[in-house]
Amino acid sequence: KAGVTQTPRYLIKTRGQQVTLSCSPISGHRSVSWYQQTPGQGLQFLFEYFSETQRNKGNFPGRFSGRQFSNSRSEMNVSTLELGDSALYLCASSNDTGGDYNEQFFGPGTRLTVL
Amino acid sequence: DAKTTQPNSMESNEEEPVHLPCNHSTISGTDYIHWYRQLPSQGPEYVIHGLTSNVNNRMASLAIAEDRKSSTLILHRATLRDAAVYYCILRYTGNQFYFGTGTSLTVIP
Repeated sequence: KAGVTQTPRYLIKTRGQQVTLSCSPISGHRSVSWYQQTPGQGLQFLFEYFSETQRNKGNFPGRFSGRQFSNSRSEMNVSTLELGDSALYLCASSNDTGGDYNEQFFGPGTRLTVL
Repeated sequence: DAKTTQPNSMESNEEEPVHLPCNHSTISGTDYIHWYRQLPSQGPEYVIHGLTSNVNNRMASLAIAEDRKSSTLILHRATLRDAAVYYCILRYTGNQFYFGTGTSLTVIP
């Protein structure tokens, strides 16, 4: 099985622009979560999508949004970019069969630099 | 939020056992204890998880205190490929994980 893929791997934007990142989960996985990783704040949960619906949301401003398509692929969008949005954005997928535990499979991340 | 506390860094000699501690005093009765690790320039990867009993898999062992307020990840024979940041995680809700600061493990040849 192919792993979680994220595109693009690297991105450079300027302040005020917007950006869209893409994540393709492992085939058959319906849950996709997004995380932001920075040296200062570490790994922080952004949101989770399951069957095209946002199921959980972290403590990020409304400039951060996402969506999930019927094939479980997910995108996240950041509008009006700020310098502090420079980070590694990680996507994770899960099989989520409804049991008590679901292993998260992470992609390699998209490195976003805001100038 | 259910939070975890880990040492910032640890060192181990190659081929020796490593015990990585984690405190989670606010754990609730239904929280699973997860361990993931992040190798340089990669996304985190699953290591092991448990609820109440000690657990073993091909990568590691997880020892959980009787009161569940702490746990220890045990790598039986550290290799250079085990150098990574190790995260002890309590699931907040659903698939929402709270990652602490993690422990950066250095393996000395």
